[in-house]
Parts: sequence; C-alpha cells; structure tokens
Amino acid sequence: GQNIDQPTEMTATEGAIVQINCTYQTSGFNGLFWYQQHAGEAPTFLSYNVLDGLEEKGRFSSFLSRSKGYSYLLLKELQMKDSASYLCAVLNSNYQLIWGAGTKLIIKP
Amino acid sequence: GAVVSQHPSRVICKSGTSVKIECRSLDFQATTMFWYRQFPKQSLMLMATSNEGSKATYEQGVEKDKFLINHASLTLSTLTVTSAHPEDSSFYICSARGAGDHEQYFGPGTRLTVT
Repeated sequence: GQNIDQPTEMTATEGAIVQINCTYQTSGFNGLFWYQQHAGEAPTFLSYNVLDGLEEKGRFSSFLSRSKGYSYLLLKELQMKDSASYLCAVLNSNYQLIWGAGTKLIIKP
Repeated sequence: GAVVSQHPSRVICKSGTSVKIECRSLDFQATTMFWYRQFPKQSLMLMATSNEGSKATYEQGVEKDKFLINHASLTLSTLTVTSAHPEDSSFYICSARGAGDHEQYFGPGTRLTVT
C-alpha cells in the first residue's frame, strides 16, 4: 500500500525553529509537496521537491531524500501565525497526490 | 496567477435536498479537477478526480450516484450532493491542475451543513 507518515502534533516556541518530518512509501515518485492549512481554510502551497536536497524559501525550507523516502519542512523564526496544520503529500507515478494526515503545529509565546 | 474559486463558501440545507458546489479556475485551463472532503481535525480525503469532458473517477467508498461530478469545461467543475443527510456535513474542497503541471491549486472550500 501507499502511506505517508508525519507526526500528529508538535509544539514550539515563538521565535524558535521547528522541523516537521515526513516519510513516505508510494508507487512511484513525481515529487513531494508541503501545504499549510489553517483551521477552516483550504490548504495553501508551501513547497515542491522533486530532486534531493534543500529548497529554501524565506523562513521555510524543505528537504528531500528520495533514497530514504524522507522529507522535512523547516520553519525558522516562528511566528504565532504559523500555528496551523502542515500537510505532506507525494505525487505518485500515476500523478495522484497521496496525502499525509497532517501535523498540527502549536506555537506558544 | 492560478486562482481557483468555489461557490458557495457556506451552505446550509435540509436533509433530503440536493446541493450543488461550483469550482472554477479563473486564470488557467484546468484539465484535471479534484474533489476532496475534510471532516473536523482530519486530513483531506480525495473523493474523485475529473478530467474535462470525461466521467469522473471515484475513490473507493465514494458513491457516484450520491456525489455527482460534472467537468464540462476547462474552467468549471461541479459537485452535486444529492439527497443530503447530516452525515454529509463536511468541508468540501476542490483543486485544479493544468496540463503538464504538477501542482494542484486549491479553492477556498465550501462548508456544507445538513440539518
């Protein structure tokens, strides 16, 4: 079967750094996405990785290791508005998006 | 660019009635549209995938006669929840993808409440 694993919930402090991990097993691989979703809203795109390595975009960075089936999302200089769920999703060989259950990130002052 | 709209944003209907939700790609041609459902504190669940001009492909466990999907043009897909029941109350989100594109662009979602 296909599955995406990520922690259910994480807590971090405002101004700190947090790393959200995602491991995957899918039928083929055409890229990995990270989305942010605030409660009651639709997901918004954060990043897309298809090659190994680190992609940096402002305070957010995403890393991919295809050989390990592993990715992480790194959030720096955390702000209260970063409190949200972070969804990891993999595009498989059929170009279907396989979704993780999401990681709820709680930011404390 | 890549804006997707949904209408309505919120709808309340009585049990037994039908509700239509529209999903539009405003500035690109969406060859594929996806319909998701999300219950509180749960992740997105893909209901069906539709390609313009062809029948939708439904995920296992999703009743095609209950959730009617039409993707008649490259900018519009509709989801009709027929004979809605309280258990159909959920957050319905569509997304759209253009030809050759890997990213899905999400609409803002529709909150359906069936009383």
